[in-house]
Amino acid sequence: GQQLNQSPQSMFIQEGEDVSMNCTSSSIFNTWLWYKQDPGEGPVLLIALYKAGELTSNGRLTAQFGITRKDSFLNISASIPSDVGIYFCAGMNYGGATNKLIFGTGTLLAVQP
Amino acid sequence: DTEVTQTPKHLVMGMTNKKSLKCEQHMGHRAMYWYKQKAKKPPELMFVYSYEKLSINESVPSRFSPECPNSSLLNLHLHALQPEDSALYLCASSPRGVQGNEQYFGPGTRLTVT
Repeated sequence: GQQLNQSPQSMFIQEGEDVSMNCTSSSIFNTWLWYKQDPGEGPVLLIALYKAGELTSNGRLTAQFGITRKDSFLNISASIPSDVGIYFCAGMNYGGATNKLIFGTGTLLAVQP
Repeated sequence: DTEVTQTPKHLVMGMTNKKSLKCEQHMGHRAMYWYKQKAKKPPELMFVYSYEKLSINESVPSRFSPECPNSSLLNLHLHALQPEDSALYLCASSPRGVQGNEQYFGPGTRLTVT
């Protein structure tokens, strides 16, 4: 099925560093979601974005809905070891018969204490 | 409360077995989903139920049979599975008809087919 381009594929950083990742699509969405998944667990919703240009924060996490509606960015400031996991973006066009998520390919984050 | 629960956590079954996965949410959400996820890959949509009716079947083989007994429960019946069906099976739910239709996932069932 369709997937969004997410980069980088993986990141290996030191504790305390800031992290940036992004997601791009060939088609527009009216909702962007960011999830974090720990090994063997389900994805946990981090941030939901509903308007082009919207900038939303959740603690050390900040995400933006791109103005073209074809991309989104997630930043993590002052990373800590528990930030380790796979981060997925997902685009959606709500209001249809279903709310089908189109997922990004994922960014694997490793944090060295 | 944004909790979706799934049972069992782990399941090992033979190719001739019949088993069921269960999912429950009490958030009043009217859309529920089954996903399959292979290691280090994004979840792949299998089925969508909207207001307890099947609205999407992503060409899933008939050895997977979904059921939505009521608005809070979603089952996935498994029969005659293949080893390649081994994966993490995720249930999700979302509200309907209003902005904020984000999906909330359960912890998943790790299925191994032997």
